[in-house]
Amino acid sequence: DVKVTQSSRYLVKRTGEKVFLECVQDMDHENMFWYRQDPGLGLRLIYFSYDVKMKEKGDIPEGYSVSREKKERFSLILESASTNQTSMYLCASRGTGKRPEAFFGQGTRLTVV
Amino acid sequence: GENVEQHPSTLSVQEGDSAVIKCTYSDSASNYFPWYKQELGKGPQLIIDIRSNVGEKKDQRIAVTLNKTAKHFSLHITETQPEDSAVYFCAAMSSSGYSTLTFGKGTMLLVSP
Repeated sequence: DVKVTQSSRYLVKRTGEKVFLECVQDMDHENMFWYRQDPGLGLRLIYFSYDVKMKEKGDIPEGYSVSREKKERFSLILESASTNQTSMYLCASRGTGKRPEAFFGQGTRLTVV
Repeated sequence: GENVEQHPSTLSVQEGDSAVIKCTYSDSASNYFPWYKQELGKGPQLIIDIRSNVGEKKDQRIAVTLNKTAKHFSLHITETQPEDSAVYFCAAMSSSGYSTLTFGKGTMLLVSP
């Protein structure tokens, strides 16, 4: 089975802190994604990466950056956390070509106080 | 870009009844339509998907239909059970650009015993 693992289930951070959310997948997928989930808004794409060291902005990239130094790992960085970044963050990975299925991690619930 | 609308936002049914969730999409280049189930405290899990060259797909109690002309697709759950209670998301993926998934806002399904 595909496994996408997020490093933390719950995080509490202070306003202004630099926050790192880590995601690892074990299926050698080229594509990795970070989504944010908020009630009534569904899943919104923050950033994605289609290859090592490659990144593309999604729909809501402001306030975030990402890093992909290895194929299996994709990190989301909040440069200076703010209270409006309190949310559930979901990582996903997907292969290419004939297997378009995307698989999600269990999510990280981040609270910024 | 792609826009996915999902209805209803909440759905309550009695155990044994059928449940139908509907989605529309805007990008005629979209060719892959997955459905995800998210249980409380967990990440979304892929339950069924359909590609644009198929009109219907079934897997035990769940089925998905696709109408490319009208740009809408639906999830059908028959003989619902309490464990079907969850939030369901539809998504669409375009064949153009970077092929990212765009999600609907979700449907909370509650199945009462």
